[in-house]
Amino acid sequence: AQKITQTQPGMFVQEKEAVTLDCTYDTSDPSYGLFWYKQPSSGEMIFLIYQGSYDQQNATEGRYSLNFQKARKSANLVISASQLGDSAMYFCAMRERGGQNFVFGPGTRLSVLP
Amino acid sequence: DAGVTQSPTHLIKTRGQQVTLRCSPKSGHDTVSWYQQALGQGPQFIFQYYEEEERQRGNFPDRFSGHQFPNYSSELNVNALLLGDSALYLCASSLASGGYRYGYTFGSGTRLTVV
Repeated sequence: AQKITQTQPGMFVQEKEAVTLDCTYDTSDPSYGLFWYKQPSSGEMIFLIYQGSYDQQNATEGRYSLNFQKARKSANLVISASQLGDSAMYFCAMRERGGQNFVFGPGTRLSVLP
Repeated sequence: DAGVTQSPTHLIKTRGQQVTLRCSPKSGHDTVSWYQQALGQGPQFIFQYYEEEERQRGNFPDRFSGHQFPNYSSELNVNALLLGDSALYLCASSLASGGYRYGYTFGSGTRLTVV
């Protein structure tokens, strides 16, 4: 069965510094996608970055990068140069090739300090 | 280009009542998924609709039902509401041909409070 673990309920980071949000996953399907979403207080889930299980390089999208370690089954999100607007809940999610739905982790609340 | 639109944004219902939540998908999307997000938790998959049929269902009781219309919009119905049904209900749309590599576009959700 699919499972996503995020062990950091809350994180603090100083503005302009980098922060890493941890995510580990479990699946028996060799083909899967890993996603990170940001959820501000408005409730909308905002897509940040995607990593495919067969992708050779770590994904990057602007200030977001994904540190993908397949053997360890980890997909950590790195946010560089944090901004006050980055304060939100962050969710790691997985979707298997044969599945239609996402499995989400419990989330990490990131607070960026001025 | 409008994203996913959900209505209403907030709703208060009494235990035992029935509720209908609505979702209009992003333009060009043909698949709608519903998720329940309890306070302090990650979203949990309820079901997905494609071509007006339920394509996949999560571990939710039959009190949760849905519908998809020919214009791809969707409704989520919950009967015999329980206090534990209080949550943020998120609708997400996608393109069926997009495959598992593509993410969803989420709406801002409907916050349901059962009293």
